[in-house]
Amino acid sequence: AQSVSQHNHHVILSEAASLELGCNYSYGGTVNLFWYVQYPGQHLQLLLKYFSGDPLVKGIKGFEAEFIKSKFSFNLRKPSVQWSDTAEYFCAVTPRDNYGQNFVFGPGTRLSVLP
Amino acid sequence: ETGVTQTPRHLVMGMTNKKSLKCEQHLGHNAMYWYKQSAKKPLELMFVYSLEERVENNSVPSRFSPECPNSSHLFLHLHTLQPEDSALYLCASSQDAGEGSNEQFFGPGTRLTVL
Repeated sequence: AQSVSQHNHHVILSEAASLELGCNYSYGGTVNLFWYVQYPGQHLQLLLKYFSGDPLVKGIKGFEAEFIKSKFSFNLRKPSVQWSDTAEYFCAVTPRDNYGQNFVFGPGTRLSVLP
Repeated sequence: ETGVTQTPRHLVMGMTNKKSLKCEQHLGHNAMYWYKQSAKKPLELMFVYSLEERVENNSVPSRFSPECPNSSHLFLHLHTLQPEDSALYLCASSQDAGEGSNEQFFGPGTRLTVL
């Protein structure tokens, strides 16, 4: 069974700092990869996704993620964070050969951005 | 607004009660999901329905009983729950459970407290 790990439980940054959140997965086959964000009191929203093609994926709100197949990683980045980026971030993986049914989430990383 | 609604938003119930959670999606999707989100734990996939047919049950206790009467509605019937079942229950939908179309759209969740 596949699993997803996220390196940091809680990250605290000042505004304008650069962000990188780690995500690693374990699965031997081809996968689809996602980053979701949950702002305080709101529902989970998709930030970006990777299915195939260019491994550097751009999402909403200036976020991007890079898929490195050899490292089984899909790290999320943003060059300059804002206070409004304070939220919980979830990495998710689904095996492409299992028709997307086994959607596995990481434990989440809480990001706090200080004004 | 993601097009996925859940009611009620909050529910407090005793261990002997029977209650139901409701999810409705207005996106024309064919697949619907129930997740459990507990504090400091990854999102747990509970049930998957594709075209109103249950395709996955991740060893969920029988005190949780899903029902999918049509592709727009999903219920989670609850009876004789335990305090450890207290959590946020999230509903999601996707276009289908097939390859490449499995971006999930989440509802706001039902915060369940079992006394």
